[in-house]
Amino acid sequence: IHMTQSPSSVSASVGDRVTISCRASQGIDNWLAWYQHKPGKVPKLLIYAASILQDGVPSRFSGSESGTDFTLTINSLQPEDFGTYYCQQTNSFPLTFGGGTKVEIK
Amino acid sequence: EVQLLESGGGLVQPGGSLRLSCAVSGFIFDTHVMSWVRQAPGKGLEWVSTIGSSGASTFYADSVKGRATISRDNSNNMFYLQMNNVRAEDTAVYYCAKGKSGYPYYFDFWGQGILVTVSS
Repeated sequence: IHMTQSPSSVSASVGDRVTISCRASQGIDNWLAWYQHKPGKVPKLLIYAASILQDGVPSRFSGSESGTDFTLTINSLQPEDFGTYYCQQTNSFPLTFGGGTKVEIK
Repeated sequence: EVQLLESGGGLVQPGGSLRLSCAVSGFIFDTHVMSWVRQAPGKGLEWVSTIGSSGASTFYADSVKGRATISRDNSNNMFYLQMNNVRAEDTAVYYCAKGKSGYPYYFDFWGQGILVTVSS
């Protein structure tokens, strides 16, 4: 299953709303996660099952789904939200990640 | 505190072999699915392999199938990735990752990562 993320990069200001999209090449129900990966750090699970917030993740992060289209929304972007965001499908093997979306703070 | 620590990386010649290890602590190891994920320089995350809690089930990415073997030692809280006939495209930071309880293919804890460089 191929996961297509868009945009590949986004530059936004603190306080902005940022949306990142991920499209699956076939149906995956809600078997989707979002990760944040900062340079020099380990990836961090943000959202699983498309919309469930992982423990400890700020509520400004949210996930939604519509068919094979998934969206990660960051409400009120904060300086610490920079990094690359990846979607991952777990509907079937091989597990696959999207290509990533780099978020930069203006 | 959940901890995962990789070892065994470094420089490997093309066609050679490597064995990565991941030592874990802070959770009940033998009830969790474990995985390896890698990131090649300048590239995104790539899932490599997953092993079930008992070790009976294993899964591999097409890019390593036939060259990689994932295994685990539940008595010592360790799991491994053996790779043979390595290629330049196997150069990457390799992460071991813990499957989330109830959702085993989501990775809720990761090791710090270990660099594997395939070069002559």
